[in-house]
Amino acid sequence: DAGVTQSPTHLIKTRGQHVTLRCSPISGHKSVSWYQQVLGQGPQFIFQYYEKEERGRGNFPDRFSARQFPNYSSELNVNALLLGDSALYLCASSLGGGAEKLFFGSGTQLSVL
Amino acid sequence: DQQVKQNSPSLSVQEGRISILNCDYTNSMFDYFLWYKKYPAEGPTFLISISSIKDKNEDGRFTVFLNKSAKHLSLHIVPSQPGDSAVYFCAATLNQFYFGTGTSLTVIP
Repeated sequence: DAGVTQSPTHLIKTRGQHVTLRCSPISGHKSVSWYQQVLGQGPQFIFQYYEKEERGRGNFPDRFSARQFPNYSSELNVNALLLGDSALYLCASSLGGGAEKLFFGSGTQLSVL
Repeated sequence: DQQVKQNSPSLSVQEGRISILNCDYTNSMFDYFLWYKKYPAEGPTFLISISSIKDKNEDGRFTVFLNKSAKHLSLHIVPSQPGDSAVYFCAATLNQFYFGTGTSLTVIP
């Protein structure tokens, strides 16, 4: 079985642009969470979606948005990119909507110039 | 506000010896604790977990200890192997996951 897949793996954008990151969860998993990992820090929670509904939101500005599709895949959108948005964006899937064991993808490395 | 802290950014251990990675937390309401291992260019992978109602959980070479009164969590790896070299994150859950900043473990052959 395939694990969590994320695309693209790397992305370079300039300030003010918009970016969309994509994630496909493990088959059978209904929850997707997004995390931002800045160099030297641990992953920071951005969003959790379960059954297409937002279950939780971390302390991130409204420039960050996400959605989950009927097939449980998910998109993370970031508008008006700032230099500080440069980070590794990790997607994780889990079976249910609680705070249970997460399975991570390899991430999307976003560089904002 | 960092609710989960790993105060040692790095640790070097000889192969065959014990590796002890430490983690402190501030929120006594956390109900579940986990350790993740991360290799470069890969996402974190689950290693071991412990419920807040237990004080020890063991899985092969890996043992996690929880001291709730001290709000302290530790991961013991015995014996350490070169393949264990990675960044280790502790995490705590309360509706969402809170991760520490990570400890880079190097096991020297």
